[in-house]
Amino acid sequence: GQGVEQPDNLMSVEGTFARVNCTYSTSGFNGLSWYQQREGHAPVFLSYVVLDGLKDSGHFSTFLSRSNGYSYLLLTELQIKDSASYLCAVRDRNYGGSGNKLIFGTGTLLSVKP
Amino acid sequence: EAGVTQSPRYAVLQEGQAVSFWCDPISGHDTLYWYQQPRDQGPQLLVYFRDEAVIDNSQLPSDRFSAVRPKGTNSTLKIQSAKQGDTATYLCASSLRDRGANTEVFFGKGTRLTVV
Repeated sequence: GQGVEQPDNLMSVEGTFARVNCTYSTSGFNGLSWYQQREGHAPVFLSYVVLDGLKDSGHFSTFLSRSNGYSYLLLTELQIKDSASYLCAVRDRNYGGSGNKLIFGTGTLLSVKP
Repeated sequence: EAGVTQSPRYAVLQEGQAVSFWCDPISGHDTLYWYQQPRDQGPQLLVYFRDEAVIDNSQLPSDRFSAVRPKGTNSTLKIQSAKQGDTATYLCASSLRDRGANTEVFFGKGTRLTVV
């Protein structure tokens, strides 16, 4: 069946890096998005990937392996303000019309310590 | 450019009461989504529209929930008889129809509903 899985929590140290993992199962993969969500706020779009490999966007980079149903979001040079929940969302072309529908994971709460 | 606007920001109801949530998407966005996000969970799609047409409402509890987008712009989500299990944040989002690279979905700030 369909599903998007993420670890609940992740802790890292300011100035270092953090890798947020996401595994998914879908019948008609049509891309994967990453969102940042702070407590009490709406999700904010970070990145979209549909092809295998690493996509470097500076502070955020994303990796995708379609054959393994796996993606990660890499945050480098962490700052305290990067503490937030990071949501992985998959598009499935076989689910809900044109495939523009996002299926979200439960999110990973990243805590960045001094 | 104005973002997705939702109102009210907060609502507190007793079980059995009704409530409506309103959403104004980004101008020109033909696709509008309503998500339910319980605390400590990811958003779960309830319904989405392309223009005024419902594309998928398979996860909308049809006995108590309804959603409309009559002119293909603003939308209203209504809960007829709220239950404690409906306690969650209700997020509205909009996007342009998927045209390959343009796949970003923009979210509103949400309405936080508490049913006591």
